[in-house]
Amino acid sequence: GENVEQHPSTLSVQEGDSAVIKCTYSDSASNYFPWYKQELGKGPQLIIDIRSNVGEKKDQRIAVTLNKTAKHFSLHITETQPEDSAVYFCAAISGAGSYQLTFGKGTKLSVIP
Amino acid sequence: DTEVTQTPKHLVMGMTNKKSLKCEQHMGHRAMYWYKQKAKKPPELMFVYSYEKLSINESVPSRFSPECPNSSLLNLHLHALQPEDSALYLCASSPGGPLNTEAFFGQGTRLTVV
Repeated sequence: GENVEQHPSTLSVQEGDSAVIKCTYSDSASNYFPWYKQELGKGPQLIIDIRSNVGEKKDQRIAVTLNKTAKHFSLHITETQPEDSAVYFCAAISGAGSYQLTFGKGTKLSVIP
Repeated sequence: DTEVTQTPKHLVMGMTNKKSLKCEQHMGHRAMYWYKQKAKKPPELMFVYSYEKLSINESVPSRFSPECPNSSLLNLHLHALQPEDSALYLCASSPGGPLNTEAFFGQGTRLTVV
């Protein structure tokens, strides 16, 4: 089955700096890679996603890049703000027709004002 | 609207109780999920309903019983739970179909078993 590794487990950045979270996956058939933000006491919120036929996707201060050859994908947050502080999870879906998301272990991001 | 609504937000139950968690979405999604999340861990898949039929059961103990009465509703019936079942239970939905896999989560039900 799919295995998703996520690094780092914790990340502290100064407000205004950039944050990068990296994930690797094991199944070359995986074709969909979402990122979720989870604030304390809340459910995960889908913030951006990318499919295997695209190398990069951007939405305002958030971008995701995908390297299919190396089987890794990354989340980039620019101009970080205190409200970006949360736990971020990467995930992957293996193969067409699968409903099974495999999550990374999460990164706790702290943005220091 | 990407809202998945879960009730109740919090639930405390004894090990001999029977209770139900409810989930509702009105996005026309045809796949619905139950996940369990322990503190500082990622969500773990429990069940998947696709077009109102149970398609995945991740070897979940029978004290958890899912039900999908219609395409908008998903229930999780609980009985004879153990303290280690205390967790955040998350419902999610996605449009359905092999290319429509964006999953949206509810806010969860915080369950405590005493």
